[in-house]
Amino acid sequence: AQKITQTQPGMFVQEKEAVTLDCTYDTSDPSYGLFWYKQPSSGEMIFLIYQGSYDQQNATEGRYSLNFQKARKSANLVISASQLGDSAMYFCAMREGGYNQGGKLIFGQGTELSVKP
Amino acid sequence: DGGITQSPKYLFRKEGQNVTLSCEQNLNHDAMYWYRQDPGQGLRLIYYSQIVNDFQKGDIAEGYSVSREKKESFPLTVTSAQKNPTAFYLCASSIDSGTHSNQPQHFGDGTRLSIL
Repeated sequence: AQKITQTQPGMFVQEKEAVTLDCTYDTSDPSYGLFWYKQPSSGEMIFLIYQGSYDQQNATEGRYSLNFQKARKSANLVISASQLGDSAMYFCAMREGGYNQGGKLIFGQGTELSVKP
Repeated sequence: DGGITQSPKYLFRKEGQNVTLSCEQNLNHDAMYWYRQDPGQGLRLIYYSQIVNDFQKGDIAEGYSVSREKKESFPLTVTSAQKNPTAFYLCASSIDSGTHSNQPQHFGDGTRLSIL
């Protein structure tokens, strides 16, 4: 069963507008963390934002915010004021449980975002 | 600067040959990970290590081997048993693997492996 689902293979957004990238997850573990990474065409993975399962507030980091809806098991990434440099692949990932889980990340298939001038 | 260094950036493998991808980190992280990425896909876990001299298989370990003799180093060998090795390989590390669950994994720049 897919644990992380990103249903948007590709998205377009106009420069300076906001965009939401969807992510739904599936876990029975009460303790988990959700991460978003950006992967430019050069290939490196850049950490953007984190949301813990027990966090009461939605995470924010600069232009990035996370719309965390725990009951719906969704953790959508919102990018405000899009810039041309935001064009990249975006991955949602989940880490389950404690030490025995090994800290492994489970990744979604990714969403390719293109920002149009 | 602290970070993760992967080498080489590009690697070519002949049929029947084993090749080793290097991953070194100077972040003093306990945990290290190897992922495989196929075109247009997400990352899949090959092996991981939570501490020196210990490692566990991930979801797609067949045809791969690793060692963790030093905290800083986690090399990945792609053996001849791996029939479809062409992919982008990413190494990552994190400060630990459970207690500080909000700590992200930090990634190297990757190695692109192709079959000759």
